Amino acid sequence: DGGITQSPKYLFRKEGQNVTLSCEQNLNHDAMYWYRQDPGQGLRLIYYSQIVNDFQKGDIAEGYSVSREKKESFPLTVTSAQKNPTAFYLCAVPGGDGYTFGSGTRLTVV
Amino acid sequence: AQTVTQSQPEMSVQEAETVTLSCTYDTSENNYYLFWYKQPPSRQMILVIRQEAYKQQNATENRFSVNFQKAAKSFSLKISDSQLGDTAMYFCAFIYSGAGSYQLTFGKGTKLSVIP
Repeated sequence: DGGITQSPKYLFRKEGQNVTLSCEQNLNHDAMYWYRQDPGQGLRLIYYSQIVNDFQKGDIAEGYSVSREKKESFPLTVTSAQKNPTAFYLCAVPGGDGYTFGSGTRLTVV
Repeated sequence: AQTVTQSQPEMSVQEAETVTLSCTYDTSENNYYLFWYKQPPSRQMILVIRQEAYKQQNATENRFSVNFQKAAKSFSLKISDSQLGDTAMYFCAFIYSGAGSYQLTFGKGTKLSVIP
């Protein structure tokens, strides 16, 4: 089936650690997006990529980094510079009906 | 910049009744798309309904329909015959494809509870 796979479903990070969230798609779409969701905040754009080897900052890119070496993959690294990383992270691919979303990763700082 | 406002953080409705969720948006663009997404407790984002701005006819999908008022920049969602499975967060979203970017802008959401 075509879709988006995010892993892991749950992730725990210690203070000062970098962690990487995976997003893989088999929809053959050029563009991929990362959103962060906090209670009462809706979804906010972190980074997006419109084509391989290119990406742009979204509204809240500070403390995050991405790469886009393959069309199918758009991993998001939450660095130690992100002071409040506990949130739900969603990866998405645009399509004719809006977006297709992954099932998300819940990141918690311990 | 585009903004989306959902003025009702929480709402509740009796099972089988009708409820309307409000959404307003701000844009200077003329061609765009509007969406309602549902996020149940599983947190999977599910498309409920979409509306193209160039279409005057309001979109409908079974029990879900919208009232799209382009001049007023209003895009409300009506849920008829509410069911327990409709309990979820609902997000209004806007997309404009200017400059080749398909960035979705979301409202902050409305938490809907359907009461048996």
